[in-house]
Amino acid sequence: QVQLQQSGPGLVKPSETLSLTCTVSGGSISSHYWSYIRQPPGKGLEWIGYIYYNGGTDYNPSLKSRVTMSIDTSKTQFSLMLNSVTAADTAVYYCARGWRVGSTLRYFDSWGQGILVTVSS
Amino acid sequence: QSALTQPASVSGSPGQSITISCTGTSSDVGAYEYVSWYQQLPGKAPKLIIYDVSTRPSGISNRFSGSKSGNTASLTISGLQAEDEADYYCCSSAASGTPYVFGPGTTVNVL
Repeated sequence: QVQLQQSGPGLVKPSETLSLTCTVSGGSISSHYWSYIRQPPGKGLEWIGYIYYNGGTDYNPSLKSRVTMSIDTSKTQFSLMLNSVTAADTAVYYCARGWRVGSTLRYFDSWGQGILVTVSS
Repeated sequence: QSALTQPASVSGSPGQSITISCTGTSSDVGAYEYVSWYQQLPGKAPKLIIYDVSTRPSGISNRFSGSKSGNTASLTISGLQAEDEADYYCCSSAASGTPYVFGPGTTVNVL
């Protein structure tokens, strides 16, 4: 049973960079599409992007200019960086394992515990 | 603003069946057989309960079922139980814009 453990700061200052890491255990990181999804307080879910084990990425167009995802297969970790954050980026951030067929994302079957990141000075 | 639409809330009594709709367009729900549903209990991470329109992951109760007709997908919960009180989100692959879109979520209340 794959498990995803998230880590990172819960408070980020406006205009700075949000940085989170997700560690994968109990399964191979060298497959699937490793994603980040966020949920503002009291609101719905928003897909941020994914990274494949070979470093290939795809991002939500609305966030693409500010998002960078990376992967370290030796540490079985993948990471999210979101720069120039504002209060609108305050949310619970989840990492998740994604399945794809061809170029189409299908679903996310394993999720991290989530980290509330607050953007505030 | 979500590309998919769901009712804000659905209520039912224990033992009843309820259905949650998820309406999209011919560019998302209508274009792919990749609609999924997630259950989110308060304060918890979402949990996959249906994928590929109607497939249940291992360990998910057969009280949960999914279907799709045209641009609308549906989640049915039969034999409603108190433990089913949660938010439910539909998701779909999409051909334009964001490649994966979520609905706004539906709160299920068990009366």
